[in-house]
Amino acid sequence: EPEVTQTPSHQVTQMGQEVILRCVPISNHLYFYWYRQILGQKVEFLVSFYNNEISEKSEIFDDQFSVERPDGSNFTLKIRSTKLEDSAMYFCASSWSSGSGVYNEQFFGPGTRLTVL
Amino acid sequence: AQTVTQSQPEMSVQEAETVTLSCTYDTSENNYYLFWYKQPPSRQMILVIRQEAYKQQNATENRFSVNFQKAAKSFSLKISDSQLGDTAMYFCAFMKPSGNTPLVFGKGTRLSVIA
Repeated sequence: EPEVTQTPSHQVTQMGQEVILRCVPISNHLYFYWYRQILGQKVEFLVSFYNNEISEKSEIFDDQFSVERPDGSNFTLKIRSTKLEDSAMYFCASSWSSGSGVYNEQFFGPGTRLTVL
Repeated sequence: AQTVTQSQPEMSVQEAETVTLSCTYDTSENNYYLFWYKQPPSRQMILVIRQEAYKQQNATENRFSVNFQKAAKSFSLKISDSQLGDTAMYFCAFMKPSGNTPLVFGKGTRLSVIA
């Protein structure tokens, strides 16, 4: 069964460093998402991506964040200068694209735990 | 903006018993989707059940069923014959009907199934 994969499973970095979190969405999916879950809190939407551009983003997704689909398979989240408060679990998700109003399930990856020291 | 509220931070249930997790939401949309996701200790997000707001019939998936009250904006999850493997965080989530919009999650309910 196809699944979303994420690497690394755990990333430890120093404050101020850049990190890149990687995701491989399900191969025929066209919509990609990043969500964040700070420990003990709810899952929060960061950004969605479609047709090589950002479709929607939340207030959390400020200038220190960027997303990219560098090739036909990977979808990355870059944090330019990490802060302590960026420590969280980051989930990638992907979904098929069809007509507006048609439900498309978002399939989640296993997450990357980011620890900023 | 949509909000999702889960008022029970933690719950416990005896194995084989039934438990109900509560969720309320706020939206001005008439059509939308509601979900329950399970997050076990591995932290993988697993879709448990989905409900379309335009359907009056409550969704069921094996031991999982929902009580969807659209007028009250309530969406509770019932787990029957609870099993130890049901121990997890459960998140209620909302999605607008546009097909590829973000999920809005509640804060979650931590469910412990006790042997």
